[in-house]
Amino acid sequence: EAQVTQNPRYLITVTGKKLTVTCSQNMNHEYMSWYRQDPGLGLRQIYYSMNVEVTDKGDVPEGYKVSRKEKRNFPLILESPSPNQTSLYFCASSLSSGSEQFFGPGTRLTVL
Amino acid sequence: GQNIDQPTEMTATEGAIVQINCTYQTSGFNGLFWYQQHAGEAPTFLSYNVLDGLEEKGRFSSFLSRSKGYSYLLLKELQMKDSASYLCAAQSGGSYIPTFGRGTSLIVHP
Repeated sequence: EAQVTQNPRYLITVTGKKLTVTCSQNMNHEYMSWYRQDPGLGLRQIYYSMNVEVTDKGDVPEGYKVSRKEKRNFPLILESPSPNQTSLYFCASSLSSGSEQFFGPGTRLTVL
Repeated sequence: GQNIDQPTEMTATEGAIVQINCTYQTSGFNGLFWYQQHAGEAPTFLSYNVLDGLEEKGRFSSFLSRSKGYSYLLLKELQMKDSASYLCAAQSGGSYIPTFGRGTSLIVHP
């Protein structure tokens, strides 16, 4: 089944404790991206990747890192999480720019 | 930058027709996406308009006017399961992924 998976689905952590949210797709898509979704603000781009080892900042990259060492995986790293990073995070992949994005199920992160 | 505007919330009656509007201002515009998102779930793709005009897919249709920077999503024969957020997203040539509006929460009541 073609899908995007994210782990964990739910995470409660404390300020400053490094964490990684994994994202994997099995559709051989070139493009992958991370969004955060907050009430009243919609989906906002954090980082995106056009191919292996090629990444770029979105609209709200501060406090986040990403890597794309393999085509299928695009982990999101929070080196020192803070409470303002409490949010719902979505990973997405697409075949190319301008094609349909497939979203993962989301990761609900709470930083205390 | 890009500016995308859509109403925050709309209500409609089961069986009726509803039109959700989206206006955008973006340089190098390529196309306009619509996604549906049920509460607590991931967005799912509905349509992508590149050319002007109306595209119909079953009960859902999407319209684009490039010259006016305007799109709408038309939902016919509304069902209770259509209660969801509808996200408009503009794809520009200068960006590899689309920019989303804040979404319109549609409530369908009996």
